[in-house]
Amino acid sequence: GAVVSQHPSWVICKSGTSVKIECRSLDFQATTMFWYRQFPKQSLMLMATSNEGSKATYEQGVEKDKFLINHASLTLSTLTVTSAHPEDSSFYICSAAGISRGEQFFGPGTRLTVL
Amino acid sequence: AQSVTQLGSHVSVSEGALVLLRCNYSSSVPPYLFWYVQYPNQGLQLLLKYTSAATLVKGINGFEAEFKKSETSFHLTKPSAHMSDAAEYFCAVSGGSQGNLIFGKGTKLSVKP
Repeated sequence: GAVVSQHPSWVICKSGTSVKIECRSLDFQATTMFWYRQFPKQSLMLMATSNEGSKATYEQGVEKDKFLINHASLTLSTLTVTSAHPEDSSFYICSAAGISRGEQFFGPGTRLTVL
Repeated sequence: AQSVTQLGSHVSVSEGALVLLRCNYSSSVPPYLFWYVQYPNQGLQLLLKYTSAATLVKGINGFEAEFKKSETSFHLTKPSAHMSDAAEYFCAVSGGSQGNLIFGKGTKLSVKP
């Protein structure tokens, strides 16, 4: 299957700082990328959907100004957690889909810990 | 709206025993269905998927799942559990409002020696 990478794999930051997470599709063009959040021992919850060249669509309850998503190319989407707080600590996972969206390919996830 | 229910948040089996992880779905359209495995602090690995072809789907690591429309089920099975199968398993259905997958709550599989 296709390969999706995330960087960094884990990050620790101080409260109030901003953190950028990159999601890259390495061997295919991802017209759509999804950002999920997973709390400990829970399932994945969709945060937002980004389509290349357009604004992201956020799920209800997700703050647009806090979780900035940019999908500037067909192989890269970024999630920036602005002014991070301890409650933002979580496992963030991206997935990428081609035109058909029939299958999504998941990145390995990024563990964010905010002190 | 599409939804997924995984019965049993925790399943424990002995090594060599049958593994059965249950998944029921709700979908207004013919669904695509997926099973993923997640090891601690790692991302999701696709085990298998159903995309309206054969109803019995074989995946990696000896897992398989059968799509039963009449029961709206897509249970995951493996004839003989290995210690390395211990992980969290997620069932997912396609068709979220944004084309995203909708996940079940997950089932943690423990394998006893």
